[in-house]
Order: sequence, then C-alpha cells, then structure tokens
Amino acid sequence: GAGVSQSPSNKVTEKGKDVELRCDPISGHTALYWYRQSLGQGLEFLIYFQGNSAPDKSGLPSDRFSAERTGGSVSTLTIQRTQQEDSAVYLCASSKWTGLDETQYFGPGTRLLVL
Amino acid sequence: GENVEQHPSTLSVQEGDSAVIKCTYSDSASNYFPWYKQELGKGPQLIIDIRSNVGEKKDQRIAVTLNKTAKHFSLHITETQPEDSAVYFCAASRGNQAGTALIFGKGTTLSVSS
Repeated sequence: GAGVSQSPSNKVTEKGKDVELRCDPISGHTALYWYRQSLGQGLEFLIYFQGNSAPDKSGLPSDRFSAERTGGSVSTLTIQRTQQEDSAVYLCASSKWTGLDETQYFGPGTRLLVL
Repeated sequence: GENVEQHPSTLSVQEGDSAVIKCTYSDSASNYFPWYKQELGKGPQLIIDIRSNVGEKKDQRIAVTLNKTAKHFSLHITETQPEDSAVYFCAASRGNQAGTALIFGKGTTLSVSS
C-alpha cells in the first residue's frame, strides 16, 4: 500500500518568510510524528499527534513552529519567520500504535533551505 | 530524558566483511530499540527492531543484540554488500507508552567497497 507522503520534497525560502510542510500518513495510522534532521545529525523529535488527544509539542524548538492535524489524517507543520538555522530535512512518520506495534514508518522528507 | 549515543560515526568495510554498530542509552525505562537505514535523499527505513524482553534477534544477514543491564544494543551485518552502504540510525523509546517519540543516535555512515 501507499506509504507516508510529504510535500513539497524541496523548499527554498528567504529568511523571514513563513513555510508550510505537509504530511499524508499511511491510511489507518492514528499516530503521526514530525522530526527534524539537520546536516550530520540524528533525527530530532518535534511534535506528536495521537487520535483526538492533545498533541505532544514538547520537541518544538520555538514558538515559530506549530503543527496541525486535521480530521485525524493530514498534518501541516508551519514555520513562521524562518531563520537560516531552520534549514534541515523535516521528516514525518506514522504508526498504528495498537500498543503492540509501535513501528514508525517515515516519509521521504521535505528539504528546507532558508537563504 | 533519554540520550542515545552511537558509534562509530563512520565505518568502512570490504565487501563480505562484517559490520558492527553500537549504541548506548540512558533511560532504563526504554524498552523498544529499532534500527533504521537511510539512503541518500530518502527517509529512514526500519530494518530490524528489538524489545526489552528479547536479547537477540536475527533477520537473514542482520542481527541486533540487547544488553539491558549495560544499556547498550548493537547492530551486526554479516557478509556485507555494496548495497548495504547507507547511514544507519539506532533509536530508543518507551515503546509501550502512547506517543513516546523515538530518540535517535547521530547515525553511522557505512561504506562497503567491492
């Protein structure tokens, strides 16, 4: 079946502009995660959504970052007033989270470059 | 919070040799340890995982071992092939708790030369 999809695949923006990144999880997956991968670094957790529960925003680096998940499916990560240090690959993952299978499946990522 | 250390950061082997990547974690409550392979320009792909009630798990040329007492786990790839060349990430989480994010190591770049 279809995997996690993300759009755009690449985004170049100017410092100070806002950007929106989109994630379509695997159908039927109730959990959705956003991670950030900076050059040469591991993946850094940003935010987590599970069903209708309040999201876990503990990983968001600043109040310029926010995310929504509409209808329990598609999610949008918004970065306001982008800074050069926001340049990274933003990865989305989804999982069934049945309590027995917590495997996270990742999308291809959005490569963001802030000039 | 959890901290995951991964070594080495780079690893070069000859085709057919074995490769071993090691990770340590700090949170004794972590009980789920996946390994991901990331090829250039792609998202990470799960290759194997292990839970804390198991000490070792194998899948063809790949195996993972877990030592809960020492809080470390390792990935073993035997009979390496050029297509094994990629960045490998270990991760840890309290997998049985809803919404627990994976905490990743910084990755190991594996190069297999033919």
